Order: sequence, then structure tokens, then C-alpha cells
Amino acid sequence: GAVVSQHPSWVICKSGTSVKIECRSLDFQATTMFWYRQFPKQSLMLMATSNEGSKATYEQGVEKDKFLINHASLTLSTLTVTSAHPEDSSFYICSAKAAGAADTQYFGPGTRLTVL
Amino acid sequence: AQRVTQPEKLLSVFKGAPVELKCNYSYSGSPELFWYVQYSRQRLQLLLRHISRESIKGFTADLNKGETSFHLKKPFAQEEDSAMYYCALGYGSNYKLTFGKGTLLTVNP
Repeated sequence: GAVVSQHPSWVICKSGTSVKIECRSLDFQATTMFWYRQFPKQSLMLMATSNEGSKATYEQGVEKDKFLINHASLTLSTLTVTSAHPEDSSFYICSAKAAGAADTQYFGPGTRLTVL
Repeated sequence: AQRVTQPEKLLSVFKGAPVELKCNYSYSGSPELFWYVQYSRQRLQLLLRHISRESIKGFTADLNKGETSFHLKKPFAQEEDSAMYYCALGYGSNYKLTFGKGTLLTVNP
């Protein structure tokens, strides 16, 4: 149980376009989902926290107008990278936390974004 | 602000040898510490949490508030333990996580 999926697993796009990444909890309801970014050979950096039905909370330094997060249901959160630039190329990972499981995050496999 | 430090980027041991992966933290509140593991080509997964005080796959970790440490230990390393290990600190009402930079453990035959 407690499986989190991400789609797509990798995406290549042109500079200036927008890209949407989906994060789904497959067998549980996720009241809270998190989005992380991981640069090569570096650690995961939390970008934002999203609670179902409410606006996402962004970490300091993360542009909320550039990284749009929507958590419309208890099983789906989306991250849209708007007007992507090469510096947005990274590995984006989501995690989900089930209702009642206060401290356990289940991680998705990640999405590799390359902006040309 | 909270911070997690893993001083070793790489750690290499032989099979059967003891292994210790170091983790130090800085946090003004009451910390919740975790170890996550990422095997090759797999997603990040929880290995253990300090609050459970459990042993998973032979690994243990004790929270030392005096030394602000949460080192991960295993008395006899196995080849299948080779992976990237991340120490993480949970904070806030949503248990957000701050990760260390990770230690790549290689267990040689």
C-alpha cells in the first residue's frame, strides 16, 4: 500500500512553454502533498506544501507564479512550471501524506524535466 | 531555521563490517528525525524514524539531543545495503521535511 505515482516520468520542452506534472496517491487519500526539487548530486529541497482544497504554501525563494500547484482532490496534486527556462531543468519529486499518518511521507518516483 | 548536516558524501565499507552514517541537526524546537533510503533506480523510502525506536533491516539510530545527532548504525553491513541515505528533520504542523545532502554508502564484497 501507500503508493504514489508521478506523470510523466520525464519531459523535454522548449523554453517559454509550460509543463504540468501530476502526482497521484493510488491507494490512499492524501490530505497533504509536498513538492520537492532535486538538482544533480544534491539533496531534495522542499518547494511547497499543498493541502487538499486550499492554496499551496511556498517555501522562501520559490516563485509561486512560476510553480503553480493545485491540489483539487484527495488523490491528485499538480505542479505546473510556467514559462519554463533552462534553469528550471531539474528532478521534481512529490510526496503524499495520508490522513491520520501525521509524520509519514510517501514519495513518488520523480519527474525529470529538461528545458531546451 | 532548521538544518541537517551529513558530513560524509561517500562511505565505503566491506561486507560484514560495521557502518555508521553520521547526521547532525540544528533546530530550535523539538525535533522529529528520520532516515530515508534510496536504492539504485528506486524512489525514496522511509527507513526509520526516531520516535519508533525500532530496528529496520538491522539499522538503528538513536537521537542524541545533547550532541544534536541522529547517526545511523548497522553492526554488519550487507551488499544490499548499498544505497543513498538521507537524514531528514520533520518540523511544523505538516511535518515538513528538511533533508541532509545524503551519504552514498557502498558495501564491497
